[in-house]
Amino acid sequence: GENVEQHPSTLSVQEGDSAVIKCTYSDSASNYFPWYKQELGKRPQLIIDIRSNVGEKKDQRIAVTLNKTAKHFSLHITETQPEDSAVYFCAADEAGKSTFGDGTTLTVKP
Amino acid sequence: SAVISQKPSRDICQRGTSLTIQCQVDSQVTMMFWYRQQPGQSLTLIATANQGSEATYESGFVIDKFPISRPNLTFSTLTVSNMSPEDSSIYLCSVAAGGAAKQPQHFGDGTRLSIL
Repeated sequence: GENVEQHPSTLSVQEGDSAVIKCTYSDSASNYFPWYKQELGKRPQLIIDIRSNVGEKKDQRIAVTLNKTAKHFSLHITETQPEDSAVYFCAADEAGKSTFGDGTTLTVKP
Repeated sequence: SAVISQKPSRDICQRGTSLTIQCQVDSQVTMMFWYRQQPGQSLTLIATANQGSEATYESGFVIDKFPISRPNLTFSTLTVSNMSPEDSSIYLCSVAAGGAAKQPQHFGDGTRLSIL
């Protein structure tokens, strides 16, 4: 089955700096890669996703890049704000079934 | 995106009892899933709830322990049977439009379950 590794497990940045979270996956059949943000006590919420036929996607301060050859994808958050503090999960999806990474706890210090 | 109602939101149960969690969606969806999230951990897929047929379970999860129903395209239940303290966790349902479009999953608020 699919295996997704996510790094780092914790990340602390100063407000205004950039944050990068990286994931690798094992199953070349995976073709859809969503990222979720989960605040304490809340549900995971989709923040951005990318499909296998695209190398990069941006949505305001958030971007995701995908390298299918190397089987890795990354989340980039620019101009971080304290409200970006949360746990972020990557996932790799094949035929509608997602396998999640272990999560990254991002702390943005004011 | 779909509005997902999950209940109960939390419960405290006695060892050996069973609890059924309900997941209701405001529109018909192709795929529904049940996840478990232990405190501070990632999401682990328990099973895919298939409409009109038996659920598809992931490795480590069995039907006798986690029976699932999905009578239609908007509703599913997960039962946690013969509970033990190890079952204390958050249980989440999620839905996806699915198919070739590869839609993202949207999650319910979860059920926080504590077993005494």
